[in-house]
Amino acid sequence: QLQLQESGPGLVKPSETLSLTCSVSGGSISRNNYYWGWVRQPPGKGLEWIGSFYSSGSTYYTPSLKSRVIISVDTSKNQFSLKLNSVTAADTAVYYCTANIDYWGLGTLVTVSS
Amino acid sequence: DIVMTQTPLSSPVTLGQPASISCSSSQSLVHSDGNTYLSWLQQRPGQPPRLLIYQISNRFSGVPDRFSGSGAGTDFTLKISRVEAEDVGVYYCMQATQFPHTFGQGTKVEIK
Repeated sequence: QLQLQESGPGLVKPSETLSLTCSVSGGSISRNNYYWGWVRQPPGKGLEWIGSFYSSGSTYYTPSLKSRVIISVDTSKNQFSLKLNSVTAADTAVYYCTANIDYWGLGTLVTVSS
Repeated sequence: DIVMTQTPLSSPVTLGQPASISCSSSQSLVHSDGNTYLSWLQQRPGQPPRLLIYQISNRFSGVPDRFSGSGAGTDFTLKISRVEAEDVGVYYCMQATQFPHTFGQGTKVEIK
């Protein structure tokens, strides 16, 4: 069974870059027909899909964040990462990584504040 | 973007009684490959989301059979046949037929 774990700073200053990593265990990130993605949840609110990449190599982002976000993969470390630049307080949320939405990390709270 | 609309937004239920949540999409969720990528997720308080149902009606591994999904096209339903205390939480429908993937607003299930 896949296990995912997010890691990264819990506090980011406005206008800086949020960087998170998702470490995958129990299976290869290169497995076929899987997608790996990020979802966020502002405090007290619902879920928002950020973006995903597929084993085929394609990556998709939600339009509202597309200009600021990059999802990348490091197959040698079995990890994938999220970078969101020019953050504001509106980017404060719990960030989850997910595999196919079948498996989820526990989430990590990122607060944007000076 | 496909808009997912859930009703009700809150559902107080008596233990042992059934519960039902509806989800409608602004466009058909039938993919060009013939599948319908509509899923249901449960989020218990303080926990990450958990996949319950995928492709309308398929229960994910380990999901109790009191959870069932149905529907087609743009209208879908999640049913809990007999609500248990551990079912308290927020339930989300989600479509993965078209990018961007989108979630419903969530339905809070609580015990009366």
